[in-house]
Amino acid sequence: EPEVTQTPSHQVTQMGQEVILRCVPISNHLYFYWYRQILGQKVEFLVSFYNNEISEKSEIFDDQFSVERPDGSNFTLKIRSTKLEDSAMYFCASSEYGGPNYGYTFGSGTRLTVV
Amino acid sequence: SQQGEEDPQALSIQEGENATMNCSYKTSINNLQWYRQNSGRGLVHLILIRSNEREKHSGRLRVTLDTSKKSSSLLITASRAADTASYFCATVLRDRGSTLGRLYFGRGTQLTVWP
Repeated sequence: EPEVTQTPSHQVTQMGQEVILRCVPISNHLYFYWYRQILGQKVEFLVSFYNNEISEKSEIFDDQFSVERPDGSNFTLKIRSTKLEDSAMYFCASSEYGGPNYGYTFGSGTRLTVV
Repeated sequence: SQQGEEDPQALSIQEGENATMNCSYKTSINNLQWYRQNSGRGLVHLILIRSNEREKHSGRLRVTLDTSKKSSSLLITASRAADTASYFCATVLRDRGSTLGRLYFGRGTQLTVWP
């Protein structure tokens, strides 16, 4: 069964440092997403991406966040200057078809701990 | 908020019993999806039900949707210990203006199935 792969599985970083979370979506998928889940809280939408541009972003996705599809297979989330409150599980997801009527395939997540 | 809310927060049953989880939401939806998350793992898409559908089946899963009550239920029949996981409902809002179907998640129901 095709999978969305995320690396690393766990990253610890110092406050103020930049981190890049990596995702390899399913190869024939065209629509990509990042979500995050702070411990004990709901899974929250960050951003959706299609055709090399952001389609939608949430209020969480401020100027310190950016996404990129650098080489046609990876999809990355960069946090420029991490804060303690960025500590969360970050999930990448992809879907073959766009639009609201299709489920997504999520990766296993990267647990980011900011100290 | 428009997010789904699951009920109960935790459910503990014996193998072979049926498990029912409920989800309520606040605004008109395009569809409602159920996801499963094993501890420390990613979200697995289980089933999607559109707003014009009332019931859907997939294997041992049965999902109902009552748009008049803004609620959905997920029934797992003949549960197994391997069904132990967190189950989340997620809604895609109607006429959101989002072409890629941003998901709004609830907090989830933790299901424990004892052998």
